Amino acid sequence: QVQLQESGPGLVKPSETLSLTCSVSGGSISTHYWSWIRLPPGKGLEWIGFISNSGSTTYNPSLKSRITISLHTSKNQFSLSLTSVTAADTAVYYCARHLVGVRVFDYWGQGSLVTVSS
Amino acid sequence: EIVLTQSPGTLSLSPGERATLSCRASQSVNSFFLGWYQQKPGQAPRLLIYGASNRATGIPDRFSGSGSGTDFALTINRLEPEDFAVYYCQQAGASPWTFGQGTKVEI
Repeated sequence: QVQLQESGPGLVKPSETLSLTCSVSGGSISTHYWSWIRLPPGKGLEWIGFISNSGSTTYNPSLKSRITISLHTSKNQFSLSLTSVTAADTAVYYCARHLVGVRVFDYWGQGSLVTVSS
Repeated sequence: EIVLTQSPGTLSLSPGERATLSCRASQSVNSFFLGWYQQKPGQAPRLLIYGASNRATGIPDRFSGSGSGTDFALTINRLEPEDFAVYYCQQAGASPWTFGQGTKVEI
């Protein structure tokens, strides 16, 4: 059974960098594509970006200048870095696996609440 | 950016009834890249439908998806108590991939 687990600080100060890691178990990270998605309080889901199993990335243009998604194959992990955060970046952050070939998300982490506040 | 508009915002129904949820896109979406998710409070979203009409693994057959172009729908026949949740549509035919704002199905 594939499982994903997000980890990282729950509180980040404005203007600093948000960093999250997604650990994948029950399957290899090298066989699928992987995304980050967030759910701001009181709003809908927002796709942040994805990384392929070869390490190529595609980002949401609204966040592109601030995002880096990286693959850590030896650890079966991938990560998200979001720079210059503001209160608008407060959200539950999910990592998710792509169902092969159809660009939907078949396995999700439980989510990690990140609050941006001084 | 393709905007997905879901309606209604809230659907109040009873167990055993049928729910029909709408997802309308601001421009045509390749149905191959249209999905539906269910989310309950405190939980991650769960994939229900992919390719507009294909049930994901383990999803009961009371859930069905339909549509093409700009109009898609999720139908839940014979609502069970565990079906009361928020439902999202999602498109990945054009970047950025986007989600609808959600429809809450409540008792």
